[in-house]
Amino acid sequence: DTAVSQTPKYLVTQMGNDKSIKCEQNLGHDTMYWYKQDSKKFLKIMFSYNNKELIINETVPNRFSPKSPDKAHLNLHINSLELGDSAVYFCASSQEASGGIQETQYFGPGTRLLVL
Amino acid sequence: GQNIDQPTEMTATEGAIVQINCTYQTSGFNGLFWYQQHAGEAPTFLSYNVLDGLEEKGRFSSFLSRSKGYSYLLLKELQMKDSASYLCAVRAGIGGFKTIFGAGTRLFVKA
Repeated sequence: DTAVSQTPKYLVTQMGNDKSIKCEQNLGHDTMYWYKQDSKKFLKIMFSYNNKELIINETVPNRFSPKSPDKAHLNLHINSLELGDSAVYFCASSQEASGGIQETQYFGPGTRLLVL
Repeated sequence: GQNIDQPTEMTATEGAIVQINCTYQTSGFNGLFWYQQHAGEAPTFLSYNVLDGLEEKGRFSSFLSRSKGYSYLLLKELQMKDSASYLCAVRAGIGGFKTIFGAGTRLFVKA
């Protein structure tokens, strides 16, 4: 019973292609995230959605477009892939507790994207 | 801006104790997390501090001093399986919170 799942786990594609990564969480959380972890292992937030609404949009090229059809799903579409997009992309989810305290984030297994 | 610093790498011996430090500069602090990440795997939650002091959880403890912008993760009775990266993450912001991760400390546990 995977809490946060992502597909695909591995993605190898050519420069210039368009690809999507899907994420689903069965924890009932309100908030979902996309992170990028590059070769230096820096985990950087890209987007965050709360109840299907975009709340964080970091300085990310507009080739990256998140979509949240419902609060259990957050997909990431990438247009015109570039070599520098090669990284591991992690989806995560969390629930805001009372008093504004953020509960822990649960991460998906990651999608290893390699752009050739 | 927001900044999180932690050592890049540390080495320790099986059975020993190791302390991994984290310093941060943020606006609107709203909590500090420690995550463990094994190579090729997703980060997993270890601890959360929002008030000053020590939180103990089995072999792992985490300390926070908000006035100093400082936290540490203490790992006792080190085991080989503790070899991993340890990520310090701070939730902060004004007018909206987000979680910023440090670059992580790679811990090598040797026999």
